[in-house]
Amino acid sequence: DAGVTQSPTHLIKTRGQHVTLRCSPISGHKSVSWYQQVLGQGPQFIFQYYEKEERGRGNFPDRFSARQFPNYSSELNVNALLLGDSALYLCASSLVPGNTIYFGEGSWLTVV
Amino acid sequence: SQQGEEDPQALSIQEGENATMNCSYKTSINNLQWYRQNSGRGLVHLILIRSNEREKHSGRLRVTLDTSKKSSSLLITASRAADTASYFCATEQDTGRRALTFGSGTRLQVQP
Repeated sequence: DAGVTQSPTHLIKTRGQHVTLRCSPISGHKSVSWYQQVLGQGPQFIFQYYEKEERGRGNFPDRFSARQFPNYSSELNVNALLLGDSALYLCASSLVPGNTIYFGEGSWLTVV
Repeated sequence: SQQGEEDPQALSIQEGENATMNCSYKTSINNLQWYRQNSGRGLVHLILIRSNEREKHSGRLRVTLDTSKKSSSLLITASRAADTASYFCATEQDTGRRALTFGSGTRLQVQP
């Protein structure tokens, strides 16, 4: 069975641009979360979606937004990119909130 | 902010030795999960231990949880060079928000 899949794996953007990252959860998983991991640190929670509704939001500015689609896949959008947004963006899924959370390989975003 | 803090930050051992990593956290939790991350890759789930459990085993891994001390430990027995990675503990807090809060990780180096 396929695990959590994310695209793209690597991308480079310029300050001020917009980026969209995509995630497909493990088949049957209805909860999707997004995390940001800056080099040398642990992941930081950005969003959680369950059954297409936002269930939690971390301490990130409004430039960050996300949504979950009817097939439970998800998108993370970041507007007006800053150099500090350069990080590994991880998507995770679980059957329901509170169960084991499985992570994808992540999307490396570099902002120049 | 980081909920969990791993100790030590870095650990170097010889193949065959045991490796112990500790994690402390600050608030009440539903569960605590340990993850491994190879350089630049996604997180691999190792073990989930619930707040009413004290010890769990999985292969060469042993995790303990002491909720009175708000601490957990991960023991890897008979380490292998392939165990070289960063290890993170992540807590799901007892606040209704089903998000993981990560520590900054322990970087384990196993020398062949």
